[in-house]
Amino acid sequence: NAGVTQTPKFQVLKTGQSMTLQCAQDMNHEYMSWYRQDPGMGLRLIHYSVGAGITDQGEVPNGYNVSRSTTEDFPLRLLSAAPSQTSVYFCASRYTGTGMLGYTFGSGTRLTVV
Amino acid sequence: SQQGEEDPQALSIQEGENATMNCSYKTSINNLQWYRQNSGRGLVHLILIRSNEREKHSGRLRVTLDTSKKSSSLLITASRAADTASYFCATDATGAQKLVFGQGTRLTINP
Repeated sequence: NAGVTQTPKFQVLKTGQSMTLQCAQDMNHEYMSWYRQDPGMGLRLIHYSVGAGITDQGEVPNGYNVSRSTTEDFPLRLLSAAPSQTSVYFCASRYTGTGMLGYTFGSGTRLTVV
Repeated sequence: SQQGEEDPQALSIQEGENATMNCSYKTSINNLQWYRQNSGRGLVHLILIRSNEREKHSGRLRVTLDTSKKSSSLLITASRAADTASYFCATDATGAQKLVFGQGTRLTINP
């Protein structure tokens, strides 16, 4: 049981480049989400999904795109990277059945845009 | 904008002492959760308290929730060096499908 797996762990991009941050979970969680963490800002929600084929925007969605074609995967796409997108990105998932449970986080992707 | 505000932003204590962190929030919630983050790592879920609960324990952790004051506290008893980490509160707001985090408390346990 691997939990939430994020790849890559580190990435350097040039301004204007695009890339996809991968997130996969093997817990059959319906809910998945992406956060970014910046110094002094805590974690801010980018996009989330309550199930395959359903996505919605969070607090800071601009410059990011998501899709959810399967329960297991929730990739985050940077369309045209900007230095302001330098951050640590976390994917998180949770069980949405009966009862309230916490979220399971991946280990993060540290992205630098130069 | 952040839902929760945490206090203090940083806390440094001696090993064996108790550590208390506070969290305030703004809207009605289904539950409030606390997470730990070790330096350079992902967040780990510690404890969840529902809106109809007032206190919850898990090992050396004690969480209280006061919905009338929209506040929560996390107490870590008999602290250890391994407790050194950042601690975040997060609220699961009523009707929302998202978890909103505070800015965190950086806890340092000195040996």
